[in-house]
This record gives sequence, structure tokens and C-alpha cells, in this order.
Amino acid sequence: NAGVTQTPKFQVLKTGQSMTLQCAQDMNHNSMYWYRQDPGMGLRLIYYSASEGTTDKGEVPNGYNVSRLNKREFSLRLESAAPSQTSVYFCASSSSDRGPYEQYFGPGTRLTVT
Amino acid sequence: EDQVTQSPEALRLQEGESSSLNCSYTVSGLRGLFWYRQDPGKGPEFLFTLYSAGEEKEKERLKATLTKKESFLHITAPKPEDSATYLCAVQVNTGTASKLTFGTGTRLQVTL
Repeated sequence: NAGVTQTPKFQVLKTGQSMTLQCAQDMNHNSMYWYRQDPGMGLRLIYYSASEGTTDKGEVPNGYNVSRLNKREFSLRLESAAPSQTSVYFCASSSSDRGPYEQYFGPGTRLTVT
Repeated sequence: EDQVTQSPEALRLQEGESSSLNCSYTVSGLRGLFWYRQDPGKGPEFLFTLYSAGEEKEKERLKATLTKKESFLHITAPKPEDSATYLCAVQVNTGTASKLTFGTGTRLQVTL
């Protein structure tokens, strides 16, 4: 089992460029999440998908969109990148969002916007 | 507003020197409290879930406890490989979904 995988591992963008971060899990989990981690801020929820076919906003959704492609895959899109979106992005999954179920995290994508 | 505060921000221990990390929380409707370990450049790794006050969980040199207002992660006789950032998170029910609120972590360094 690979668990939660993310691509790419690193990315540098110029302001205004767009990109999609990919996430996949092989644990047959229903719920998936996108977080960003910034120094001194802790992990903050961007968007989540409680189950296939549903998505909802988290704490910091502005500037992002998501797609739950199928049960395994959940992508995060930056339409017009801004320097404030420089961060480390983590995808996570859990068996359900009703909880309390632990979330399992991917290795992260380190994004720099210049 | 749900809040999770971890202390200290950083802790330096010598090998074998036991200590505790603190996670205090102010939430309504706690469903569970989670501890994670995060190594530099990697994603958080799940350690424990605690559900109710008085509960304890152990794994090797780590022991997590929970009260109504805080949780402690006790590290007994730590080794250099225990060096990492330890994150605490709480899960509360908000409408139709449960979400995690994270603290900012305690950065632990264990030296020989």
C-alpha cells in the first residue's frame, strides 16, 4: 500500500500562472482533504470532500478550487497563483468525515510563487 | 472559536531525559484528540487518538493522556530518533462534517 501519494513534490510558479496538485489514496477511504502548512500557522484546511461527488470549503479556500475525480483522487487547482500561496500543501484521507477517524497524510508539495 | 495551543514551541532534551509536551484546547463538542509526528520535509504521521477524559494510549517511549482541557504527550527515556515536530489536533462536529483543528506543534530535539 502506497497510502496517500502527491505530485509534484516541488513546484515553482510565477505570479498569475496556474497549476493543479494531484493526490491519490489507495486505502479505500471516503473522505479526502487539502491543507496548507505555513511557519507559525499550523496546518489549515483549504477544502475537503466528505465523500465521492461532494466538496466543501475549509478555513482558507480563497484562490483555490478542487475536484474529486473519483473515490481515489482529489485535486487542488490554483487558477492564478499569488506569492501568498507559497506554502507546503498536504493531502490527507480518512475512512469517513463523521469521525473521530484519524487522517493519513501524503508527503506534501512544496510550492513557491515568485 | 476552536483553539488548540501547544507548549513549549521547542524542547531540547538529552538522550534518556524524560519530559512532557502539552496540548491545551478550547472547543465545543470534542469528538477526538489526535497526536501526530512530523519529520522535516515529510507529512504528519499518525500516532494516537484519544476520545474521552482519563484515556491513555502508549506506543514505545510515548504515552498520551487526555483531560477535559488538555492532553500530554509523555516521552520516556527519549532517543535521538525521537527528534521531530509533534502536532496535536482536535476533531469537533460542525454541522455535517468533522474537521481537524491543529496546533502549531512542539519541535523536539534529542541529543546524545
